[in-house]
Amino acid sequence: DIQMTQSPSSLSASVGDRVTITCQASQDITNYLTWYQQKPGKGPRLLIYDASSLETGVPSRFSGSGSGTDFTFTISSLQPEDIATYYCQQYDSFPLTFGGGTKVEI
Amino acid sequence: QVQLVESGGGVVQPGGSLRLSCAASGFTLSNYGMHWVRQAPGKGLEWVSFIRYDESDKNYVDSVKGRFTISRDNSKNTLYLQMNSLRAEDTAVYYCAKDKYRRVGLMDVWGKGTTVAVSS
Repeated sequence: DIQMTQSPSSLSASVGDRVTITCQASQDITNYLTWYQQKPGKGPRLLIYDASSLETGVPSRFSGSGSGTDFTFTISSLQPEDIATYYCQQYDSFPLTFGGGTKVEI
Repeated sequence: QVQLVESGGGVVQPGGSLRLSCAASGFTLSNYGMHWVRQAPGKGLEWVSFIRYDESDKNYVDSVKGRFTISRDNSKNTLYLQMNSLRAEDTAVYYCAKDKYRRVGLMDVWGKGTTVAVSS
């Protein structure tokens, strides 16, 4: 199974700050990586797919980069509505696996 | 509007069974691969099962193999998860999610989830 190591597990930042989350795969997953946002009591929302493609309707302050085993997710200017937990997920092979999540607080 | 609505959760004793349903609307279920993903209380996301759009392939996480069965009724636009021999560690919110068109494992729409509690 492919292990996804996400860091940090939590962070606190101010409105307007640049926020960066990293995700490392235990083996090469090319660019088969997504980033999701989850708010309390809700299902996850797809933000980024294929490591760097922005899902339709997602604000451009969200971005992703990387390939192979090392990936980065960035919020360029943190907004109050971005308070949530963020997960990376690989879809290179089954079983699909998620990172442990990053809780973003203000 | 594309929507997924899960139902069928509840409280069940260890060793018991439940069948979860996921009603799809706004798209044709038969054209998409579908997944079940769960989240234990206070924990992260765990993928559980997948069924290909044409039902030619099904996959399960090791911890549920032999106990859970994924299926679909395209005429009813509904996805199912039959859960047998339930254990305390199966307690979680269960989400259904659809694949982006022909992109296996890339889940672009999720439901709000249904809660399963396994307890005596």
